[in-house]
Formats: sequence, C-alpha cells, structure tokens
Amino acid sequence: DAKTTQPPSMDCAEGRAANLPCNHSTISGNEYVYWYRQIHSQGPQYIIHGLKNNETNEMASLIITEDRKSSTLILPHATLRDTAVYYCIVSFRGSSNTGKLIFGQGTTLQVKP
Amino acid sequence: GAVVSQHPSRVICKSGTSVKIECRSLDFQATTMFWYRQFPKQSLMLMATSNEGSKATYEQGVEKDKFLINHASLTLSTLTVTSAHPEDSSFYICSAAPGTGAYEQYFGPGTRLTVT
Repeated sequence: DAKTTQPPSMDCAEGRAANLPCNHSTISGNEYVYWYRQIHSQGPQYIIHGLKNNETNEMASLIITEDRKSSTLILPHATLRDTAVYYCIVSFRGSSNTGKLIFGQGTTLQVKP
Repeated sequence: GAVVSQHPSRVICKSGTSVKIECRSLDFQATTMFWYRQFPKQSLMLMATSNEGSKATYEQGVEKDKFLINHASLTLSTLTVTSAHPEDSSFYICSAAPGTGAYEQYFGPGTRLTVT
C-alpha cells in the first residue's frame, strides 16, 4: 500500500473552510484515496473517498491532483465538532474484496472559536 | 444506517484471563471485518482481517494464537484476547465493510481493555 504524508497539526477558525493536504506520491493506478477522522476516544468515521475525480458529499469535498500524487480534503464550514484527527489513507479495492486500511499519524485539526 | 456496535465498551480483567470482544454490524451484512488496536496517543494498528466463514488473516507480528478471531456470521465477529497481560491493555476497534468489495468501512465505538 502506498504511504501518505500529512502535516501533524492544523488550526482553523470556526465557520471557515478547513483544507487538509495529503501527499501520496507512490500511489498506484488502482489505489483509492480515503479520508477518515477520529474524534477523541471514538472509532474512526468515514468521510469520503476518490480515485481520480474530485468528489463531494454532505460532509466534505475531496480534490485530487491530476497526477494523483496529492489530495486535499475540504471541510467547507468547520465547526467545533470537526475537531479531530484526520487520516488520509491510500488503499486498493478489488471487485471482490475491500482493501485494508493502514493508518498513519494523521493531522490533528483544531477548530477554534 | 451503517452502524457498527461493540460490546463491551470497557472491560477490566486480571492477568492470565481471557476476554472476548464482540463486533456487530447492526443494519447491514459485513462480508469482511477488521480488527485494530490503538495505544494512547498513537494511531490505529491493523491486527487482522476476517472474512465470514473463513480463517482470519493476521498482520505481521500479531500472534494468532493470542488474538483469536471468529467471524461466524455476516453480522458478528469476535476477538478473544487469551491469557491477557498488562501490555495487552489497549483500545480495540473493529470495522465492517458492507458487502463484497465495498469502498468504505464503518467503525465500531471501540472497547477499552485494561488488564491488571
């Protein structure tokens, strides 16, 4: 599985957009980019995933560069409840199996009032 | 939808005893379930992958005889920590993938194990 690099921590003002970067320069063609987050002492929460195209759902947007070597997770209007550790993970997904997730250290996002 | 539960949420046991942790997918069938452990201030570490009806696949360095995994149905997987020792104290988290080849995994709330 390709490795990812994320900044260890970031701050964001409440109500502003939070842009979390991730580098995955060794990603292979059939690997997806996943984002999960973990609020303190809870299980991780799935946010979004993508392969090549940008994706958006009710939680966030995922922007993947054309060469797929990096991506950015965007929380459009961060709230205090978005304070968490955000994990960018690259994983293979086959037609008959779900790829395993290897968690790195993630980015601790602190949303401030 | 896509809710995963774990039981118990917290457990304290004495050294040398065994502890069973249950992971259930409440509103979907999970062909594949995963078990992780997380030490304080560290990231999640994948322990094993279990597929319903077959033996679990353990990650390198995880003792399969110590961490017994049973995935007997499409909604239930269990992790048994055998002969627990204080160093096994950790936060154990399971996840479940809905269906075959699902994109996302849904995580349980975790089980805090303390071995005294």
